[in-house]
Amino acid sequence: QKEVEQDPGPLSVPEGAIVSLNCTYSNSAFQYFMWYRQYSRKGPELLMYTYSSGNKEDGRFTAQVDKSSKYISLFIRDSQPSDSATYLCAPEAAGNKLTFGGGTRVLVKP
Amino acid sequence: DAGVTQSPTHLIKTRGQQVTLRCSPKSGHDTVSWYQQALGQGPQFIFQYYEEEERQRGNFPDRFSGHQFPNYSSELNVNALLLGDSALYLCASSVGGRGYTFGSGTRLTVV
Repeated sequence: QKEVEQDPGPLSVPEGAIVSLNCTYSNSAFQYFMWYRQYSRKGPELLMYTYSSGNKEDGRFTAQVDKSSKYISLFIRDSQPSDSATYLCAPEAAGNKLTFGGGTRVLVKP
Repeated sequence: DAGVTQSPTHLIKTRGQQVTLRCSPKSGHDTVSWYQQALGQGPQFIFQYYEEEERQRGNFPDRFSGHQFPNYSSELNVNALLLGDSALYLCASSVGGRGYTFGSGTRLTVV
């Protein structure tokens, strides 16, 4: 079993819809939770960074962490074609390396 | 302000050869991490360098080695290349291991 699991997708939604992405993990030591966006042939770009359980909102993006169930979510409101990319969750234990999920490919159709 | 710069962007090597990839971190960053990303998968941690020393290492064989220079730039060396080493190699820099910025990667193809 992988430490971090994501549905590979692709997840196809019409423009303007809410995109809901999920990630589960098994390591209780994870304290920091990152979401990265990766466009084709590019490196990952940090979208959201959350410490411990709770919600964090930044513009159209909302990240949720539930440490009790080891479940991480990312919501994208009013999705745009430019949001089409692969989304990677990456939890991190304190002072440790990022552990990436396999990524979910998202397609937003105009 | 330039971000993380990696070179070369692409290269093709033959099985058994050796390769060196290079990374210049973002200005002000002192920690460099290397990741391997196979096609369709998430990045896998190779190792991290801080103050010119390897601080952490992932589950990669000794064929993978690295170096960090006094100006914080870094190299990743892979010896005795295997077909399975074909991947996108990503460099990420940070300050003290937090707030990673990734480069666009080096696409390595082993034939």
